[in-house]
Amino acid sequence: DTAVSQTPKYLVTQMGNDKSIKCEQNLGHDTMYWYKQDSKKFLKIMFSYNNKELIINETVPNRFSPKSPDKAHLNLHINSLELGDSAVYFCASSQMRTTHNEQFFGPGTRLTVL
Amino acid sequence: AQSVTQLDSQVPVFEEAPVELRCNYSSSVSVYLFWYVQYPNQGLQLLLKYLSGSTLVKGINGFEAEFNKSQTSFHLRKPSVHISDTAEYFCAVRQGGSEKLVFGKGTKLTVNP
Repeated sequence: DTAVSQTPKYLVTQMGNDKSIKCEQNLGHDTMYWYKQDSKKFLKIMFSYNNKELIINETVPNRFSPKSPDKAHLNLHINSLELGDSAVYFCASSQMRTTHNEQFFGPGTRLTVL
Repeated sequence: AQSVTQLDSQVPVFEEAPVELRCNYSSSVSVYLFWYVQYPNQGLQLLLKYLSGSTLVKGINGFEAEFNKSQTSFHLRKPSVHISDTAEYFCAVRQGGSEKLVFGKGTKLTVNP
């Protein structure tokens, strides 16, 4: 069973387009995250939602808008895509207020903006 | 702000040799420490974690790490590596009371025959 899944796995699009990436977790967790991994493999958190409420919002352009319809889903919508948005985007989930709050990661979505 | 430093960006070793991947963090408060592994074109998988208690932590695939509070380090070790250990390794820290996981820049381990 897939714990954290993302669609699509690959996304190639033109500059200026709007695109969405979807994430679903079946672990029963209450917290979900989006990370961006750049071309140098550096991973940085973008957003986090707990029970559909935004709890972490790093310095991310407002072209990026996360949406959480329920606690098992966290989607990422990106408007007016730019070349610099090309990266691998990882979704993760965890259960807040547990001792270790281990995060489980999805397989990633490789976004290429041409 | 919390930061994590992985001192080596690339570590090449021969098969069956021991390896140590270094990680230092900056924090004066309680922290939880993690090592994740990323195989080529895959997501991140948790190798091991330090929460509290014994400073020597054992993880999957024969890896272990030692938490050293005085040196603010959490180095990852394996006594004998395999070709299949070739991957990117990330050290991460979460400060107590925060949900934010801060990652180091990663160390690419390449195991050669």
